[in-house]
Amino acid sequence: EVQLVETGGGLIQPGGSLRLSCAASGFTVSSNYMSWVRQAPGKGLEWVSVIYSGGSTYYADSVKGRFTISRDNSKNTLYLQMNSLRAEDTAVYYCARVAGTTDWGQGTLVTVSS
Amino acid sequence: NFMLTQPHSVSESPGKTVTISCTGSSGSIASNYVQWYQQRPGSAPTTVIYEDNQRPSGVPDRFSGSIDSSSNSASLTISGLKTEDEADYYCQSYDSSPWVFGGGTKLTVL
Repeated sequence: EVQLVETGGGLIQPGGSLRLSCAASGFTVSSNYMSWVRQAPGKGLEWVSVIYSGGSTYYADSVKGRFTISRDNSKNTLYLQMNSLRAEDTAVYYCARVAGTTDWGQGTLVTVSS
Repeated sequence: NFMLTQPHSVSESPGKTVTISCTGSSGSIASNYVQWYQQRPGSAPTTVIYEDNQRPSGVPDRFSGSIDSSSNSASLTISGLKTEDEADYYCQSYDSSPWVFGGGTKLTVL
């Protein structure tokens, strides 16, 4: 059974950094197309970043240069390093795996506020 | 930039059929697969349709997806509506950006 568990969210001040983790089970992260998607309070879904099985990475313009997606094959875990955080980055962050259909984690809340 | 436009909300009665549209702003929506996600209040999204018209295992056949090239749109149709279908629904496809989402449609079953 595919399972995705995000951790690492919390309250952080503007300008701060946070690293989100997405622990996967039931499949191999490095062999799959993995993405981060976020949802600001009361808003719709917004794509953030993707890492393909070959290692190529892409970012939404809103986070380019501030966020970094990566994976640890030994831990079968996906990461999102978030730097220079802004109030508008406040959202629930979901990791997702695309293999035909899309499997979603339960999300982790990031609140950027002073 | 490529955009997907959905109606803000739709409503229908239990047992009826409802269709939610997702219109592409440019190009051909048929050129890339469209996915549909259901999100109930307070929960993570789940996939109800992938690759235009495929249902993940466990999704009832009351859910179906289609593409209409003439209107450059995708549609999600839910038949035999149940109160548990009340949720937000998002379409998603691809362009120069790996993922593009529609703004979401709130389905009310009343």
